[in-house]
Amino acid sequence: GAGVSQSPSNKVTEKGKDVELRCDPISGHTALYWYRQSLGQGLEFLIYFQGNSAPDKSGLPSDRFSAERTGGSVSTLTIQRTQQEDSAVYLCASSLFGGGGAFFGQGTRLTVV
Amino acid sequence: GQQLNQSPQSMFIQEGEDVSMNCTSSSIFNTWLWYKQDPGEGPVLLIALYKAGELTSNGRLTAQFGITRKDSFLNISASIPSDVGIYFCAGGFTEADKLIFGTGTRLQVFP
Repeated sequence: GAGVSQSPSNKVTEKGKDVELRCDPISGHTALYWYRQSLGQGLEFLIYFQGNSAPDKSGLPSDRFSAERTGGSVSTLTIQRTQQEDSAVYLCASSLFGGGGAFFGQGTRLTVV
Repeated sequence: GQQLNQSPQSMFIQEGEDVSMNCTSSSIFNTWLWYKQDPGEGPVLLIALYKAGELTSNGRLTAQFGITRKDSFLNISASIPSDVGIYFCAGGFTEADKLIFGTGTRLQVFP
């Protein structure tokens, strides 16, 4: 597609359930990022992919969070046993190369009730 | 997580005024980027800077990559109501590294 696509756009889940968030990057972009943004706050780095490998996972808040990328394209962010503090907008971005101009998707707004 | 320092945190200005905001870091970067985020949307890339000392314009926007590689500024001339939003800077190190984002500057423009 023309831009970064994220799905779902909104997700409401019960505390303790697992959720999967999907990101389709711009075709040909090798770098893919996941960020989290709480209401009125800045962007918190979660994980960075270069191709299918993740050289930097330092931002994942706990072992309940994991992400994978397959075929150098689609990425899935999984949150297990969701907690209320996981509620935020999860943003995905891709760029031609790491450290370069990254383009963002619209985000997935996750609400844990 | 690691963040860049942006200032000011917020600005309230009159339509037609010029705006200046900046971003500083204790680390050097090879890339500086400026983004604008509207409510409910993802950040949109405004300007990308790839060389120390580089000065780049995009319409009414002008940004510079500081010569020390530890800072950058963004200027908006003759502000209009649609400039309202949150502006983020971001720094990148190498092709194998992630972008680090600033804390954001919230801009309000009054007619």
